Amino acid sequence: QLQLQESGPGLVKPSETLSLTCTVSSDSISSSSYYWGWIRQPPGKGLEWIGSIYYSGTTYYNPSLKSRVTISVDTSKNQFSLKLTSVTDADTAVYYCARHSVGGSPLKPFDYWGQGTLVTVSS
Amino acid sequence: DIQMTQSPSSLSASVGDRVTITCQASQDIRKYLNWYQQKPGKAPNLLIYDASNLEAGVPSRFSGSGSGTDFTFTISSLQPEDIATYYCQQYDNLPLTFGGGTKVEIK
Repeated sequence: QLQLQESGPGLVKPSETLSLTCTVSSDSISSSSYYWGWIRQPPGKGLEWIGSIYYSGTTYYNPSLKSRVTISVDTSKNQFSLKLTSVTDADTAVYYCARHSVGGSPLKPFDYWGQGTLVTVSS
Repeated sequence: DIQMTQSPSSLSASVGDRVTITCQASQDIRKYLNWYQQKPGKAPNLLIYDASNLEAGVPSRFSGSGSGTDFTFTISSLQPEDIATYYCQQYDNLPLTFGGGTKVEIK
């Protein structure tokens, strides 16, 4: 059974960089069949897609965040990562990593999700 | 960006009731719509993809229909374990966008 696990600091200061890693278990992130994505959810609010990456490094970002977001992949560790710069209170959210379903495209449903990790932006 | 408008934002129904949620896209998204269930403190769970296809392992009381801009999600007989927030999501175009969610409660 595929498992995804987010890790990283739960508290980030305003104007600093949020960094999270998603570790994938029981499947290879290098599979040509899947994209991998990040989604966030502010407390009590809805879901926002941040961006997605292919094992080759091809990325797609939400234009609303594109200037501050970098998603990268480390196939040797079976991980992909999120960096969000210049954070503010508005970036406080639960951050999820997820897999797009088979098809080798970011235009696919998210069929497996991590449990999510709360990141709070506060001084 | 494609805007996804869900209604209602919340509803209360009795066990055994038929529950219907609608989702409207701001432009034609063909059949490329998903429905997710999110229970409190948990990650979303894919229930339906391509507007009407049931994900493996999902109970048959859940169903979806629609195409173009108007979509419907139905629970044929509400069960206590269905208490959750339900989200639609389009994947016809990037950026991927979600509806605002519908919170389903038991009356």
